[in-house]
Amino acid sequence: AQSVAQPEDQVNVAEGNPLTVKCTYSVSGNPYLFWYVQYPNRGLQFLLKYITGDNLVKGSYGFEAEFNKSQTSFHLKKPSALVSDSALYFCAVRPHYGNNRLAFGKGNQVVVIP
Amino acid sequence: ETGVTQSPTHLIKTRGQQVTLRCSSQSGHNTVSWYQQALGQGPQFIFQYYREEENGRGNFPPRFSGLQFPNYSSELNVNALELDDSALYLCASRAGGREETQYFGPGTRLLVL
Repeated sequence: AQSVAQPEDQVNVAEGNPLTVKCTYSVSGNPYLFWYVQYPNRGLQFLLKYITGDNLVKGSYGFEAEFNKSQTSFHLKKPSALVSDSALYFCAVRPHYGNNRLAFGKGNQVVVIP
Repeated sequence: ETGVTQSPTHLIKTRGQQVTLRCSSQSGHNTVSWYQQALGQGPQFIFQYYREEENGRGNFPPRFSGLQFPNYSSELNVNALELDDSALYLCASRAGGREETQYFGPGTRLLVL
């Protein structure tokens, strides 16, 4: 069964500094990888995905993520964080073939300090 | 905002009762999945419906059941509610085929007393 690890509960970063949220995964075969963001009392909002091709994926709001197959990682990055980026970020994985269920990590709370 | 809507937004029930949650998928999406998100946790997959048939289920007991209708909207039913069923219930839809992205609704927050 697929699984995701997001090792840090909270990431604190100063506004304007680079932001990184870490994610490692486990899945049979090749993965589909996703990042979602959740604001308080809201559903999950899609940011970006890796399906195949270029290992660097660009998404919404200036976010990008790098797929590293050898390290089974898919870290989310933003070159310059905004206060409005403060939210809960979830990494998710599913296999290319087989079940369609997404396995989510426990989430990372990102706090951007003005 | 996605085109996925859910109702109601909030619900309070007592232990042992039954509840029905509803989801309207985004236009053109024929696949609906339901997730349970407990406080402080990531979403957990409950089940998925494709063309009115359940085609995948997570580690949830049979008292969690669902339906999908011809217009691809969906219901989640939970019988014999337990305190641990208190959570945010999320519905997600996708277009199927090669489109892999699931788009989530705002969720229904269920509190079981």
